Amino acid sequence: GQNIDQPTEMTATEGAIVQINCTYQTSGFNGLFWYQQHAGEAPTFLSYNVLDGLEEKGRFSSFLSRSKGYSYLLLKELQMKDSASYLCAVADSNYQLIWGAGTKLIIKP
Amino acid sequence: ETGVTQTPRHLVMGMTNKKSLKCEQHLGHNAMYWYKQSAKKPLELMFVYSLEERVENNSVPSRFSPECPNSSHLFLHLHTLQPEDSALYLCASSQDSTEVAHNEQFFGPGTRLTVL
Repeated sequence: GQNIDQPTEMTATEGAIVQINCTYQTSGFNGLFWYQQHAGEAPTFLSYNVLDGLEEKGRFSSFLSRSKGYSYLLLKELQMKDSASYLCAVADSNYQLIWGAGTKLIIKP
Repeated sequence: ETGVTQTPRHLVMGMTNKKSLKCEQHLGHNAMYWYKQSAKKPLELMFVYSLEERVENNSVPSRFSPECPNSSHLFLHLHTLQPEDSALYLCASSQDSTEVAHNEQFFGPGTRLTVL
């Protein structure tokens, strides 16, 4: 079967750094997405990785290792507005997105 | 604003009611999606339309009936639902649905559905 695993909840301090991990087992791989979803709002796109390595975009970076079936989202200089759920999704061999259950990130002052 | 709107935002219905959810995208995309989001569970893909034709139906119960009259509008007709159908129903759109790897999906705010 296809499976995406990510921690259910994480807590971090304002101004710190946090890494949210995602491991996947899918039938084929056509890229990995990270989305952010604030409570009561729509998920919004953060990043896309299809090749191994680190993609940096401002305070957010996303890393991919295809051989390990592993990705992480790195958030630096955390702000209170970063409190949200972070969803990992993989495009399988049919280009269909397989979603993780999301990681709820709580930022404390 | 993501360019995808959904109405209503909240809906409470009895098990014998018939209601419809509406989604509209203003992005010129060719593909539209219905997802079900339950607490602490992964997004569940329900239906995919590409150029107004249904290309994916992930074994969704027949009490959910989609309709895509054109590439900008998508409906989800509901009838004789069960309490376990209570969830957030999200609509999304993307440039295309097939053979496009970097195919970012844009989501609407969702309809919070409660079935009594």
